[in-house]
Amino acid sequence: AQTVTQSQPEMSVQEAETVTLSCTYDTSESDYYLFWYKQPPSRQMILVIRQEAYKQQNATENRFSVNFQKAAKSFSLKISDSQLGDAAMYFCAYRSYLKTSGSRLTFGEGTQLTVNP
Amino acid sequence: DTAVSQTPKYLVTQMGNDKSIKCEQNLGHDTMYWYKQDSKKFLKIMFSYNNKELIINETVPNRFSPKSPDKAHLNLHINSLELGDSAVYFCASSPTGNSYNEQFFGPGTRLTVL
Repeated sequence: AQTVTQSQPEMSVQEAETVTLSCTYDTSESDYYLFWYKQPPSRQMILVIRQEAYKQQNATENRFSVNFQKAAKSFSLKISDSQLGDAAMYFCAYRSYLKTSGSRLTFGEGTQLTVNP
Repeated sequence: DTAVSQTPKYLVTQMGNDKSIKCEQNLGHDTMYWYKQDSKKFLKIMFSYNNKELIINETVPNRFSPKSPDKAHLNLHINSLELGDSAVYFCASSPTGNSYNEQFFGPGTRLTVL
């Protein structure tokens, strides 16, 4: 079974600065998908960014980018020019390519990000 | 305009009671899920349905029974509620097939068992 680990329970960043959230995962599969979800205090789960394992190019969405290291099984999220609205719990998630997995998301423990003004 | 809706958003009940949480999606997706988020914010899959057929049934007490009357609805019924069932329950949906597709989550239902 796949596992996802986020080793930073809490992180903080100054407004306008850059912060990187770490995520590692364990899998024996060669094809899979990785996601970062954001959960603000409203508790709504919001997709931030996604990456296909067979693509070497790191995904980017505006101020959000990932550093995907397949061999190291690492998938970190970089937030540039942090804004107060970025304050939330961030979850890293793994999704198997195999249909037999039922397309479930396996989540990490989450990292609570605080943005200081 | 709501994509995935859940009712109720808050549910407070006594131990031993039976309760249901309803979920509806208007995205035309074939696959729906139930996730549980515990007090430490950890999210874990409970069930998944594809076109009304049960696909995933994790190690969940059989007091929990999902029901899918059609592919737009996936309800969760919980019998004989226990204190440990207190959590936030999320419904989600996605298209079938391409796992790159985003799962859309509902707003969550906070269940408190007293």
